Amino acid sequence: GENVEQHPSTLSVQEGDSAVIKCTYSDSASNYFPWYKQELGKRPQLIIDIRSNVGEKKDQRIAVTLNKTAKHFSLHITETQPEDSAVYFCAASRMRSGGGADGLTFGKGTHLIIQP
Amino acid sequence: DGGITQSPKYLFRKEGQNVTLSCEQNLNHDAMYWYRQDPGQGLRLIYYSQIVNDFQKGDIAEGYSVSREKKESFPLTVTSAQKNPTAFYLCASSRQGRNTEAFFGQGTRLTVV
Repeated sequence: GENVEQHPSTLSVQEGDSAVIKCTYSDSASNYFPWYKQELGKRPQLIIDIRSNVGEKKDQRIAVTLNKTAKHFSLHITETQPEDSAVYFCAASRMRSGGGADGLTFGKGTHLIIQP
Repeated sequence: DGGITQSPKYLFRKEGQNVTLSCEQNLNHDAMYWYRQDPGQGLRLIYYSQIVNDFQKGDIAEGYSVSREKKESFPLTVTSAQKNPTAFYLCASSRQGRNTEAFFGQGTRLTVV
């Protein structure tokens, strides 16, 4: 089955600086890579995702890059703000050609701390 | 709020008892999932279902059972065979097809006493 490794487990950055979280996956058949943000006591919520036919995707201050050859993908947050403090999870799954997907395999999470 | 509802929010169980966690969605999603979240472990897949009356085991299915009799509902039973059931349980749902964003419920925190 799929195995997703996520680093670092904790990341502390100064407000305004950039943050980068990295993940690797093992199953070359995986083709869908979402990132979720979970604030304390709340449900995980999707912040950005990327599919294997794309190398990079941006949404305002957030970007995700994917290297299929190396089987790794990264989340980049620029100009960090206090509200970015949360736990971030990467995930991978395989979307089937006929529709539908296997369940997501998650990394263990990164606790991002934004220092004022 | 979000279209996917889990109940109860907190649940206490005595050792040796089975307990069922509820998950209902009104998003008309075909696929539903159950995850377990432990500190430092991320989210691990227990069971998932892509269509009514069909479901598959995830990575940690032992000691759990599910049913999918209705599209809207995907209850999870934690049986006495589950050795360490105390955890935070999250239900999710998604559409079939290219957009497979998973929407999560608010979770149920199960404690064995």
